[in-house]
Amino acid sequence: DTEVTQTPKHLVMGMTNKKSLKCEQHMGHRAMYWYKQKAKKPPELMFVYSYEKLSINESVPSRFSPECPNSSLLNLHLHALQPEDSALYLCASRGVGLKNTGELFFGEGSRLTVL
Amino acid sequence: DAKTTQPPSMDCAEGRAANLPCNHSTISGNEYVYWYRQIHSQGPQYIIHGLKNNETNEMASLIITEDRKSSTLILPHATLRDTAVYYCIVRVALYNNNDMRFGAGTRLTVKP
Repeated sequence: DTEVTQTPKHLVMGMTNKKSLKCEQHMGHRAMYWYKQKAKKPPELMFVYSYEKLSINESVPSRFSPECPNSSLLNLHLHALQPEDSALYLCASRGVGLKNTGELFFGEGSRLTVL
Repeated sequence: DAKTTQPPSMDCAEGRAANLPCNHSTISGNEYVYWYRQIHSQGPQYIIHGLKNNETNEMASLIITEDRKSSTLILPHATLRDTAVYYCIVRVALYNNNDMRFGAGTRLTVKP
């Protein structure tokens, strides 16, 4: 199983809503990533968890709250978002053992629209 | 401060080789060159990576110049399905380096 599964595929929310994006992998990877991608732009790194601990936070606004409850799951909690937060949110995972190549495996993304 | 420079767009005829250049003139001795591609509306896909030797896999070949300041990704027989944005990334490939940042990439269009 070399899949990273993201749910939901599409999400529409109002600025006062609270919602969550979910990412799951069963490859035994211990590093998991959130990226944000606007149209016609490259993916932009948001957060990285390594061994379930937050390793990188790219000064993302607090209305985005990541959570890594276990080694297979990564969540992104969304609250009080702005319309400019509408984007494709990509999750990725990476094996961190000495034999790993550093390759990231990506999910298909969750397309978020904030009204 | 981008570590890599790629042309914004390229065209290639179907069945011909696609040669995608990447400039990384400030690369450090312990940094690898990675290539990913992103087909429209999909997540990025790993293609290949290398340190200084040329590399080949079932998807592509990676040619790195001797001074390591530039590289070329070669898709030997491009198909329409290879139309995508191709990203060249330079990073230290330590197992505990979690950093992976994307530059602007090259939009490759394969034409019939």
